[in-house]
Amino acid sequence: EAEVAQSPRYKITEKSQAVAFWCDPISGHATLYWYRQILGQGPELLVQFQDESVVDDSQLPKDRFSAERLKGVDSTLKIQPAELGDSAMYLCASSGIRLAGDYNEQFFGPGTRLTVL
Amino acid sequence: GQQLNQSPQSMFIQEGEDVSMNCTSSSIFNTWLWYKQDPGEGPVLLIALYKAGELTSNGRLTAQFGITRKDSFLNISASIPSDVGIYFCAGRGSQTGANNLFFGTGTRLTVIP
Repeated sequence: EAEVAQSPRYKITEKSQAVAFWCDPISGHATLYWYRQILGQGPELLVQFQDESVVDDSQLPKDRFSAERLKGVDSTLKIQPAELGDSAMYLCASSGIRLAGDYNEQFFGPGTRLTVL
Repeated sequence: GQQLNQSPQSMFIQEGEDVSMNCTSSSIFNTWLWYKQDPGEGPVLLIALYKAGELTSNGRLTAQFGITRKDSFLNISASIPSDVGIYFCAGRGSQTGANNLFFGTGTRLTVIP
């Protein structure tokens, strides 16, 4: 695929429930990123994978957030339990060198808009 | 984390006018990127800059990598209604992570037909 796919596009949940988001990166991209974007702000990195390994999760609230990329392709981000302050857009991006001349830039998916009630 | 300040925060312009926005950082970056985000969608990469002083165009868009490596600007010429959206700058340095991007606060552009 030449685009980053994310699902669901929208999710409404009640606080204390568990939610999960899925991302399928551009085919051949080794690096995958999860960002959180609060309304009116720029995206902020939560976690970065290189293949199946986490290379940066310093900004991931690990008491409630978890992320995995078991086979080094698609990825899941989970929140358990969800809190009111988790309402945001969750964006997935991928990067990689597929062709000569690629600059390893990040390309974003459409995002999952989470609302916690 | 890195702080990137964008200005202006929002702009209202007439169709056909030129637009200019800029981004400044407290730190040096090796790469500057400009993204556009439509409501409810993810950011789309517009222009990438890799060298201080570099001036790059993409259609009606022109961006420059500042000489100090702490700033960048984006110009849009002859704006059209589909230019509406939020424009984000993003910087990448070598200090923290091989490909970590730090995003600005965004410039919301409204084009009045």
